[in-house]
Formats: sequence, structure tokens, C-alpha cells
Amino acid sequence: DAKTTQPNSMESNEEEPVHLPCNHSTISGTDYIHWYRQLPSQGPEYVIHGLTSNVNNRMASLAIAEDRKSSTLILHRATLRDAAVYYCILRRYGGSQGNLIFGKGTKLSVKP
Amino acid sequence: DAGVIQSPRHEVTEMGQEVTLRCKPISGHDYLFWYRQTMMRGLELLIYFNNNVPIDDSGMPEDRFSAKMPNASFSTLKIQPSEPRDSAVYFCASGDRPEKLFFGSGTQLSVL
Repeated sequence: DAKTTQPNSMESNEEEPVHLPCNHSTISGTDYIHWYRQLPSQGPEYVIHGLTSNVNNRMASLAIAEDRKSSTLILHRATLRDAAVYYCILRRYGGSQGNLIFGKGTKLSVKP
Repeated sequence: DAGVIQSPRHEVTEMGQEVTLRCKPISGHDYLFWYRQTMMRGLELLIYFNNNVPIDDSGMPEDRFSAKMPNASFSTLKIQPSEPRDSAVYFCASGDRPEKLFFGSGTQLSVL
């Protein structure tokens, strides 16, 4: 699987937007971009995924660069509950390649 | 829906003992994954099943580890004999497609 690069940590203020970057310069045409997050003492939680177009759901937005070599997860209004480790993962579509391989992620701190 | 259910939540055992971790996936999900998480190595994929069949067990550390899925509603991960380096949080996850997984709360295993 292609590799992703994320900052180790980021800080945000409550009720402000947060932009979490992810670089994936070796992405292939069939790699989907996934984001999961892990709150303290919990299992990972699906956030969003996309292929080429920007995606929105109730949790977040995913902005994908035109060349797909980078993407940004956007939390529109951070809350204290959003403090977590955020993982950006590439997964190749099709066949039996169902593996989600987690990296180290970005630890997001939210200040009141 | 109760989500993915793992048991036990905590397990403390002595080196050399057999350990069995259990997982009940969400009803209707065809995919089931076992991960383990440590501070040093992060989240590691151990094995995953599709329709109760093991698809990729390349992440299973060694022969001491085995996983089964006898039916669509139950899976076990067994370690025999256990060693202190097996101490970790073990997560089970299920999904109706491999890109969107739902994780359980994990089993905290301590091998003394």
C-alpha cells in the first residue's frame, strides 16, 4: 500500500475549524483515501473516505488535491470531543485487498 | 444495534497460559478484522475474514496465534502459549464493506 505522511500533532481551539493535512505522493489511481479517528481508550472510528472528488458528511469534509497527492480533513467547528488521533489511510480498491493499514496518525488537541 | 461486541474487556494472565478473545460482529457484516495496538507498534492488522473465510493472515505474528470464524456472528482469537510481549489492546472490527469498519471497544490483554 502507498504511504501517507501526517504531522505528529496539531492543536486547535474549540469552535474553530481544523484542517488536518495528509500527503500521499505515491498514491495510485485505484487508491481510496480514508480517514479514521481514535478517541482516548476507544477503538478507531470511521470518519470519511473519497477517491477524487471532495466529500462531505455529518462529521467532516474531505478535500482532495487535483493531483491526488495530498488531502485535507476538515472539521468545521472543533469540539472538545474531537480530541483524538486522526489516521489518513490509503486502500487499494478491488480484489481481496481489504486491508486498512494504520500509520501513526495526527494527535489533535482541542483547547477550550 | 449494539455494535461490535468484544469480550472480555480486560484479561490478565500468566505467561504460558492460553488466552481466547471473542468477538461478535454487527449482524449482516461480511467482513471481520482483528487488529492489535501497542504504544511501540501502533495498530497492526493481524487477520481478516470475508464471509467467514480467512483472506489474509499475513499479520499473525507466529504459530502461537490462531483465529477462527465458525459462523457469521462469532470469531475468536487464541494465543497459546501467551508471552509478555503479547500484551496489547486487541480490537475486532466488522463492516459490510472493507473500507468502512466499525470497531469494538477492544480487549486489554496483560500477560505477566
